[in-house]
Amino acid sequence: EDKVVQSPLSLVVHEGDTVTLNCSYEVTNFRSLLWYKQEKKAPTFLFMLTSSGIEKKSGRLSSILDKKELFSILNITATQTGDSAVYLCAVEYLIQGAQKLVFGQGTRLTINP
Amino acid sequence: GAGVSQSPRYKVTKRGQDVALRCDPISGHVSLYWYRQALGQGPEFLTYFNYEAQQDKSGLPNDRFSAERPEGSISTLTIQRTEQRDSAMYRCASSSTGTHTGELFFGEGSRLTVL
Repeated sequence: EDKVVQSPLSLVVHEGDTVTLNCSYEVTNFRSLLWYKQEKKAPTFLFMLTSSGIEKKSGRLSSILDKKELFSILNITATQTGDSAVYLCAVEYLIQGAQKLVFGQGTRLTINP
Repeated sequence: GAGVSQSPRYKVTKRGQDVALRCDPISGHVSLYWYRQALGQGPEFLTYFNYEAQQDKSGLPNDRFSAERPEGSISTLTIQRTEQRDSAMYRCASSSTGTHTGELFFGEGSRLTVL
């Protein structure tokens, strides 16, 4: 069965720390992997990754994909309390010619001052 | 519109009643997705449309759930004979592309509570 697994499920760190969130997947006909940040309202898009080994970066956030080992990491450096959120990983793949987008269960990140 | 709009934001209903949840996607977006999200979980796929065509409804839990997008814009998710286990946040998302998901823009969701 195709699936997306995120780890850890929950993480509590102090402001200024660096965190690494993991997303592993088992799907056939992979197309892309996406990261979202979900605070109180709707998930908001962070990155879309399609190629292995190419880092995507936005400020203190960065992400990379390993299509051989079937995982992605999301790094946040110099964390701030505003980074507290649930981070969702989603994988797009094709099955029987139709595209599907499946989310992991999310990592709840809490940044303490 | 400027973003994906969902209504109602909150819906409380009695078991056995039918509910209709509406999604107004970003203007011009080809794809529209419905997800259900339980507390502490990631979004669970229900169904999606490209234009007015329902491409995949494999995530709909049972035949009490249905969705339509008759004119390729606004979509309605209908749950008939609601049950308590249907209580969840129902999220709609749209995407500008039809062939590759790309970035999804999510609405703020409709929280359904079935008593």
